[in-house]
Amino acid sequence: NAGVTQTPKFRVLKTGQSMTLLCAQDMNHEYMYWYRQDPGMGLRLIHYSVGEGTTAKGEVPDGYNVSRLKKQNFLLGLESAAPSQTSVYFCASSPLRFSGYNEQFFGPGTRLTVL
Amino acid sequence: RKEVEQDPGPFNVPEGATVAFNCTYSNSASQSFFWYRQDCRKEPKLLMSVYSSGNEDGRFTAQLNRASQYISLLIRDSKLSDSATYLCVVNREGGSYIPTFGRGTSLIVHP
Repeated sequence: NAGVTQTPKFRVLKTGQSMTLLCAQDMNHEYMYWYRQDPGMGLRLIHYSVGEGTTAKGEVPDGYNVSRLKKQNFLLGLESAAPSQTSVYFCASSPLRFSGYNEQFFGPGTRLTVL
Repeated sequence: RKEVEQDPGPFNVPEGATVAFNCTYSNSASQSFFWYRQDCRKEPKLLMSVYSSGNEDGRFTAQLNRASQYISLLIRDSKLSDSATYLCVVNREGGSYIPTFGRGTSLIVHP
């Protein structure tokens, strides 16, 4: 049981390049999330998904797109990378609990630098 | 006003001390509450869920005060290994319980 995995772990891009970050979970969770974490800013939600085929915008969606074609995978795309997107990106998944107590399980993160 | 606020610290305490953190939230429609722990350059991990009745797990106690809109985390008998950043998370009901993270409180436990 690998939990939540992220690919790649590190990446350096030049301004204007594109890339896709892959998140995979093997816990059959309904919800998946993408966050970015910057020094002093905490975790900020980029996009999230409440089920296969659905996506929604979070707090800081501009410059990113996502897709969830399969329940276990959640992809984050940067179409034209900018230095402001230099950050650590975390993916998370959580089960569906109607109580709202749907704890999140995080991947190890992707460290992205845009030059 | 930020939706979830925490004192960033750092809280610098000796081993064996008791330390408490608070976290305030602004949205009265918030439904569920958590404390996560994040070690340096690692992913956050769930420490405790926080229920209306409060809950305790070993040296850790979490409380929720809905009237004043804050949650607290108490750590007794601090260990060196408790050094980390503690993140407060509040889920607001919006059909899918959207999580909002506080910026975290840094704890340093020294010998």
